Amino acid sequence: TQLLEQSPQFLSIQEGENLTVYCNSSSVFSSLQWYRQEPGEGPVLLVTVVTGGEVKKLKRLTFQFGDARKDSSLHITAAQPGDTGLYLCAGPTDSGNTGKLIFGQGTTLQVKP
Amino acid sequence: NAGVMQNPRHLVRRRGQEARLRCSPMKGHSHVYWYRQLPEEGLKFMVYLQKENIIDESGMPKERFSAEFPKEGPSILRIQQVVRGDSAAYFCASSPLPGQGFYGYTFGSGTRLTVV
Repeated sequence: TQLLEQSPQFLSIQEGENLTVYCNSSSVFSSLQWYRQEPGEGPVLLVTVVTGGEVKKLKRLTFQFGDARKDSSLHITAAQPGDTGLYLCAGPTDSGNTGKLIFGQGTTLQVKP
Repeated sequence: NAGVMQNPRHLVRRRGQEARLRCSPMKGHSHVYWYRQLPEEGLKFMVYLQKENIIDESGMPKERFSAEFPKEGPSILRIQQVVRGDSAAYFCASSPLPGQGFYGYTFGSGTRLTVV
């Protein structure tokens, strides 16, 4: 069974600090995605990484896919209160072309002004 | 272009009643995926439908839950005889082609079901 484990589960930091969120698995994924979810809303896709070792940047957010495609990280530089939310990693299952995603349990980030 | 539209946004049902959740996919999309988010948990896959076909329902509870995506109109997730444990946020996503999980999805804003 494929699983995605995120750490930490909760993170509370001051504005301007840097942080890293991890998404780990013992299984290989063909791709991994990161979503951000605000209270009362649906998850919003931030990025998809597909190649082992790939690094993608989205303004102050840096996403990395592990060389073995079993893990990923999200690094935020100089966090702002607007970054507050639930961050979810997800990957397609290996059960065929059904479009089914497995999600991590999420990391709740709170950035205090 | 409108995104994935879900309604209602909030639904309150008493135990034993039926809940109907609707999902209108993005224009031109004929593939719909339903996910459930229980309190303090991540999203869990429920069902994948194409127009008039259920492709994968491996995440659906065996009883009381059903889903359809008719030729015309929105996809419907139906929960009969709701129980308190059904209280959750239900999200749907859509895609124009099958098996787009590799790239990621656009999700709707969800329906928050509360069973009292």
